[in-house]
Amino acid sequence: EPEVTQTPSHQVTQMGQEVILRCVPISNHLYFYWYRQILGQKVEFLVSFYNNEISEKSEIFDDQFSVERPDGSNFTLKIRSTKLEDSAMYFCASSVGSETSQETQYFGPGTRLLVL
Amino acid sequence: EDQVTQSPEALRLQEGESSSLNCSYTVSGLRGLFWYRQDPGKGPEFLFTLYSAGEEKEKERLKATLTKKESFLHITAPKPEDSATYLCAVQARGANSKLTFGKGITLSVRP
Repeated sequence: EPEVTQTPSHQVTQMGQEVILRCVPISNHLYFYWYRQILGQKVEFLVSFYNNEISEKSEIFDDQFSVERPDGSNFTLKIRSTKLEDSAMYFCASSVGSETSQETQYFGPGTRLLVL
Repeated sequence: EDQVTQSPEALRLQEGESSSLNCSYTVSGLRGLFWYRQDPGKGPEFLFTLYSAGEEKEKERLKATLTKKESFLHITAPKPEDSATYLCAVQARGANSKLTFGKGITLSVRP
């Protein structure tokens, strides 16, 4: 069964460093998303991406964050200068489309980011 | 602003003891309500999508129902392997496709 994959599974970085989290969405999906979950808190939306551009972003997704689809399979989230409060689990998700019955979002296993 | 509240926060059941998990929501026009299961340290695993009040969906020991203000996830005769956190999320109508999640309900089923 097709699934969303994410690398790395764990990332430890120093405050102020740049990190890139990678995702391979399900192959026939067109919509891609990033969410994060701070330990013990709810899953929060960061950004959605369609047709090579951002379609929506949350207040969390400030200028320190960027997303890119560098090729036909990968979808990346870059944090330019990490802060302690960026420590969280980051989930990538994808969906076939935005029409009814196609919009179910399937999540990857996550990348646990720890900023020291 | 879309909001999702789940209750109780945690639920402990004996194996075979049926119960229901509640998800209350406010959204500016519901497009879909989603239930996910999340195991510790893992990503949310899709269970159900519900679109309109009165709709029900079933999968093994789980049944999800929807009204205009809340959804229930009924668990019949649970087993220890049903232990997990169950997440409810809503998606509003329109071009806005993000999911707004509740905090989840942590279910523990004792053998």
